[in-house]
Amino acid sequence: AQSVSQHNHHVILSEAASLELGCNYSYGGTVNLFWYVQYPGQHLQLLLKYFSGDPLVKGIKGFEAEFIKSKFSFNLRKPSVQWSDTAEYFCAVNARNTDKLIFGTGTRLQVFP
Amino acid sequence: SAVISQKPSRDICQRGTSLTIQCQVDSQVTMMFWYRQQPGQSLTLIATANQGSEATYESGFVIDKFPISRPNLTFSTLTVSNMSPEDSSIYLCSASTGVGYEQYFGPGTRLTVT
Repeated sequence: AQSVSQHNHHVILSEAASLELGCNYSYGGTVNLFWYVQYPGQHLQLLLKYFSGDPLVKGIKGFEAEFIKSKFSFNLRKPSVQWSDTAEYFCAVNARNTDKLIFGTGTRLQVFP
Repeated sequence: SAVISQKPSRDICQRGTSLTIQCQVDSQVTMMFWYRQQPGQSLTLIATANQGSEATYESGFVIDKFPISRPNLTFSTLTVSNMSPEDSSIYLCSASTGVGYEQYFGPGTRLTVT
């Protein structure tokens, strides 16, 4: 069965620090990959997605993620975080041509001024 | 993209009762889904709401406990039946415009069962 692992459960950073959140999935076939963000008191929003093509994808608010097929990974990065990036971040995967989205356990990011 | 609204936003219910949650999308979508997000945990798919036919349930979820309707391409309901405190959770509706496409999420319904 498919599964998604997010290794960092809680990350605390100061503003301007660099961020990398890990995401690994288990599925041998072709996948679509997503990062969602949930700001405090708000609903889930799509941060970025990878379907095909350039494995380095850019999303909103300066976030990017790199798909490394050989490592089954889709890590999220941001060079310099802001206090407003404080949120819960979820990695999600679905097998190509299926409608089932599998979520990781989430990473809570706290950014202090 | 699609904008999704849910009603109610929150409710406190007594054990043994049922609650129906409504999900409205601002445009026609192909797929609609219902998730549960328990406190401090990730999202778990309950079922895919199929228009005009029975919903497709994930392992561990059954129609008698979570009946779902989807009468058209923009609306769905989820009922949580015969509630117990273990059903306290956030219930989320999502929608997508195609198989494998990104999903757009509603604001969620926070349910507390006493």
